Amino acid sequence: EVVLTQSPGTLSLSPGERATLSCRASQSVTSSYFAWYQQKPGQAPRLLIYGASSRATGIPDRFSGSGSETDFTLTINRLEPEDFAVYYCQQFGTSPFTFGPGTKVDIK
Amino acid sequence: EVQLVESGGGLVQPGGSLRLSCAASGFTFSRYALNWVRQAPGKGLEWVSYNSNSKSTIYYADSVKGRFTISRDNAKNSLYLQMNSLRAEDTAVYYCTRSNSSGRGAFDMWGQGTMVTVSS
Repeated sequence: EVVLTQSPGTLSLSPGERATLSCRASQSVTSSYFAWYQQKPGQAPRLLIYGASSRATGIPDRFSGSGSETDFTLTINRLEPEDFAVYYCQQFGTSPFTFGPGTKVDIK
Repeated sequence: EVQLVESGGGLVQPGGSLRLSCAASGFTFSRYALNWVRQAPGKGLEWVSYNSNSKSTIYYADSVKGRFTISRDNAKNSLYLQMNSLRAEDTAVYYCTRSNSSGRGAFDMWGQGTMVTVSS
C-alpha cells in the first residue's frame, strides 16, 4: 500500500499569504495518478489538481501543484477567505487507492 | 444538471446489511469509472471501492474486502454498494465519485454523501 504523509498537519496563515502544502509518498507514484482535493466543513471534497500539476475545471490559477515520484506540493498564492479548508492528496495508480491524512489551512 | 446523488444510508445494527445507490445524471455514465469513498465523523477520506466503466476491473480497500460489493448498471446510470457484515467502524458518510477517465482517474465529481451509522 502507498502511504501518503502530509505536512504540516495544520497551517495557520493570514489572507494574502502563500500556503505551501507537502505530500510525501512511501513509494514512487506516477504523476498522472496523483491529485489534490479541497474540503470545506459540511461539504463534499472538490478536485483541485490532477496529474500532479493540472488545475481542474474552474479552479483559480492561484492554486498550483508540482512534484514527482515521492514528493508533491500544493501551493496557494495569495490566500483568499474561501481557501481556508482541509486539503487532501491522493494517489490512484496502485490499489488500494490512498488519501493523505489532510492539511488544515486555518486563519491566523 | 451534471450530478451524482447517493441514497440508501441509515441506521443499521452490527452484522447487518445495507445497499447504497448512486444515481448519475448529466453525463454519459458508461464512459467513466466510478468509486465509493467514505469519511468517518471528524476523520479523513478513505477510498472504499473502484469499478471501471466496463465493469471489467474492480478494486476494494482491505478494510471492506469480502464484505462489500460494488456494482453498476450502465443502463440505469446507477452505481451500487452492497454492504454486509457491517461493523461500528463502517460508520461514515459514503460518497459516490466519478473518475475523470474510463479507468483510473482523479475524482472529478462527488455526490453529497449518504450517512451510514452502524450501532445497536
